[in-house]
Amino acid sequence: GAGVSQSPSNKVTEKGKDVELRCDPISGHTALYWYRQSLGQGLEFLIYFQGNSAPDKSGLPSDRFSAERTGGSVSTLTIQRTQQEDSAVYLCASSSSGTSYGYTFGSGTRLTVV
Amino acid sequence: EDQVTQSPEALRLQEGESSSLNCSYTVSGLRGLFWYRQDPGKGPEFLFTLYSAGEEKEKERLKATLTKKESFLHITAPKPEDSATYLCAVPFSGGYNKLIFGAGTRLAVHP
Repeated sequence: GAGVSQSPSNKVTEKGKDVELRCDPISGHTALYWYRQSLGQGLEFLIYFQGNSAPDKSGLPSDRFSAERTGGSVSTLTIQRTQQEDSAVYLCASSSSGTSYGYTFGSGTRLTVV
Repeated sequence: EDQVTQSPEALRLQEGESSSLNCSYTVSGLRGLFWYRQDPGKGPEFLFTLYSAGEEKEKERLKATLTKKESFLHITAPKPEDSATYLCAVPFSGGYNKLIFGAGTRLAVHP
């Protein structure tokens, strides 16, 4: 596609429920990133996929968070047993080799846990 | 510890009033500094990459410069459409492809 597509754009869920957030990167981009942006905060790195290599999960805040990338393309970020502190905008980005040309971000999924 | 600090947090300008935004960083071995623009409800949009001290990049009314410890985003004769949050980012010391972002500067340009 022309850009990075994320769905849903908004998600309201009850505390304790599981949620899945989807990211469809730019075709041909080998790198895919998930970041979290809380109100008034900078972007917090979560996880990074590069080609067929093992993902860099060093930013995942707890074992309730997981992500996968199927076929080197679409990625799903799953949050189990959601908590109120998980409320944030979850941003996905993709890039071609390295970051020399910058990431292309999607518009994000705004998650609200009530 | 890798860190990116942006100042000011917020800036209000009159149309045509030039100013500068600051981004200071502490990482081991800088491998690039990135500037992004973020509009409300949207993801950040890539603006510039700078790699070495003394380097400058320009785009319309924006000019980014880099020193060994900080970067500046100069805005010349801004217009209301320049209103946005400006983010800077650098790669983590241990991971070239992971960026650490500053909290951003919220710029409002009034007619």
